[in-house]
Amino acid sequence: DAKTTQPPSMDCAEGRAANLPCNHSTISGNEYVYWYRQIHSQGPQYIIHGLKNNETNEMASLIITEDRKSSTLILPHATLRDTAVYYCIVRVAAANFGNEKLTFGTGTRLTIIP
Amino acid sequence: KAGVTQTPRYLIKTRGQQVTLSCSPISGHRSVSWYQQTPGQGLQFLFEYFSETQRNKGNFPGRFSGRQFSNSRSEMNVSTLELGDSALYLCASSSGVNTYEQYFGPGTRLTVT
Repeated sequence: DAKTTQPPSMDCAEGRAANLPCNHSTISGNEYVYWYRQIHSQGPQYIIHGLKNNETNEMASLIITEDRKSSTLILPHATLRDTAVYYCIVRVAAANFGNEKLTFGTGTRLTIIP
Repeated sequence: KAGVTQTPRYLIKTRGQQVTLSCSPISGHRSVSWYQQTPGQGLQFLFEYFSETQRNKGNFPGRFSGRQFSNSRSEMNVSTLELGDSALYLCASSSGVNTYEQYFGPGTRLTVT
């Protein structure tokens, strides 16, 4: 799985959009970008994933650059409950039967400021 | 639909003992993965079971083992506990086929004294 680089920490004002960057310059053509988050004392929670097109769901949006070397997770209206460690993970396509392993980096500790 | 459950939530053991942790996946899910989380090493993959067979294994010593039952429930065992085994042990479940997301349980906090 390709290596990812994320800033160790970020702050965001409550109600504003939180933009979390991730660099994955060695990503290969069959690797997806996944985002998970871990709220203190809980297990990680899946947020969103994408291959090359931008994706949006009820939790967040994922913007992947055209060269796929970086991506940004956007939480459109951050709340205090979004304070967590956010992990950007790159791994081979989930359609490859039998690949459930997730390789977590150190993530970004996002703090939402009231 | 009930989430992933792990028991016990907290456990204190002494060095040299062994421990068994349990995980019940979401109903219908056939894959169970185990992770260890420590402040120093972060989240690390231990192993994954699907239909009672180990499919993937992380880089951990043989003291760490697991199994999966026919109802998809899984157990992991750590023998001859060391202080460094103190960690949060997380279990994740997924359907195991063409999955894009895993669902994590709350974890078992193991303290080795």
